[in-house]
Amino acid sequence: GENVEQHPSTLSVQEGDSAVIKCTYSDSASNYFPWYKQELGKGPQLIIDIRSNVGEKKDQRIAVTLNKTAKHFSLHITETQPEDSAVYFCAASKGRDKIIFGKGTRLHILP
Amino acid sequence: GAGVSQSPRYKVAKRGQDVALRCDPISGHVSLFWYQQALGQGPEFLTYFQNEAQLDKSGLPSDRFFAERPEGSVSTLKIQRTQQEDSAVYLCASSLEALSNEQFFGPGTRLTVL
Repeated sequence: GENVEQHPSTLSVQEGDSAVIKCTYSDSASNYFPWYKQELGKGPQLIIDIRSNVGEKKDQRIAVTLNKTAKHFSLHITETQPEDSAVYFCAASKGRDKIIFGKGTRLHILP
Repeated sequence: GAGVSQSPRYKVAKRGQDVALRCDPISGHVSLFWYQQALGQGPEFLTYFQNEAQLDKSGLPSDRFFAERPEGSVSTLKIQRTQQEDSAVYLCASSLEALSNEQFFGPGTRLTVL
């Protein structure tokens, strides 16, 4: 089955700097790659997603890139702010199938 | 607007007790998913419903776990004879259409088995 690896497990960046989280997946049939943000005591919240027919997608300070050949995808957050501190999960899915999550990255934004 | 709601938010059970966790999906959402999230880990898939039909239960860890969605809206996850390893956050998610990828998550139920 699908396996999603996520790095790093913890990331600290100065406020205003950029943060990058990287993931790999194993199943070439996966075609949907969402990113979720989870704050303490809350459920995961979708922040951006990308489908396999697109190489890059951007939404304000957040961008995702996908390399289907290498089975890599990444989340980029620019101009980080204190409210970006949270746990971020990458995930992969095959259409209507279940979502397979990575283990998460705890992002700390330092003042 | 109303999102996915789950109850109770917290549940403490003694080992061996049965528990029932409720999920109210977003109104009109066809698909409903249950995930289990252990401390410090990502959510792991348990089971999936399309309307009232349980189409995938491959993630249920044992036959002590049972889920139902009898009328295609509210769902209940039942765990019989709870064990300490069942302690986790149980997340419910729903999506609008059978063909939709985007899943909206509830806040979860934190289950602690003593």
